[in-house]
Amino acid sequence: KQEVTQIPAALSVPEGENLVLNCSFTDSAIYNLQWFRQDPGKGLTSLLLIQSSQREQTSGRLNASLDKSSGRSTLYIAASQPGDSATYLCAVSGGGADGLTFGKGTHLIIQP
Amino acid sequence: SQTIHQWPATLVQPVGSPLSLECTVEGTSNPNLYWYRQAAGRGLQLLFYSVGIGQISSEVPQNLSASRPQDRQFILSSKKLLLSDSGFYLCAWAQGARNTIYFGEGSWLTVV
Repeated sequence: KQEVTQIPAALSVPEGENLVLNCSFTDSAIYNLQWFRQDPGKGLTSLLLIQSSQREQTSGRLNASLDKSSGRSTLYIAASQPGDSATYLCAVSGGGADGLTFGKGTHLIIQP
Repeated sequence: SQTIHQWPATLVQPVGSPLSLECTVEGTSNPNLYWYRQAAGRGLQLLFYSVGIGQISSEVPQNLSASRPQDRQFILSSKKLLLSDSGFYLCAWAQGARNTIYFGEGSWLTVV
């Protein structure tokens, strides 16, 4: 059974810092990996999707990497802003119709 | 463009009462549809998924049920709610099993 772990569970940093969120998964036989953002009391917003054959994806100040063989992914946020404050969730897909397996998220606070 | 709507956004229901949460997707056809529950400290749990009209797969045994009466409509129901059914329910869709999954805004359910 696939398990996804996110470290740290919570992180608070001053505005402007670059930061890295970590995600690990136990079964390397994944089809893709997604990073999501969740604001308090809201649904999830997809940030980046990395296919298993890819090493990284970039969107603006966000960069996600994937090392499938070691079961790890990182989300790099450059020049953090208070608006980046949210919970960031990592999820992996085994390619089946049963969707994604999620980590419990990293709660990020960017201090102004 | 594709959109997903779910409602109601918030509801408070007594124990033993019925439940109906509805989700619709616009701008796509034959999507995979999902119901997730997010309980405090437990991450997202997949409840049901559907690959077509009338096709429902359940991931966990529970007193909830799901139905897909139309291609882009997904309904989560219960005949008698339990206290443990309280949580944040999220509907999601994807075009195929291996693509980005998009989430609705969620429905907060409190069973009292």
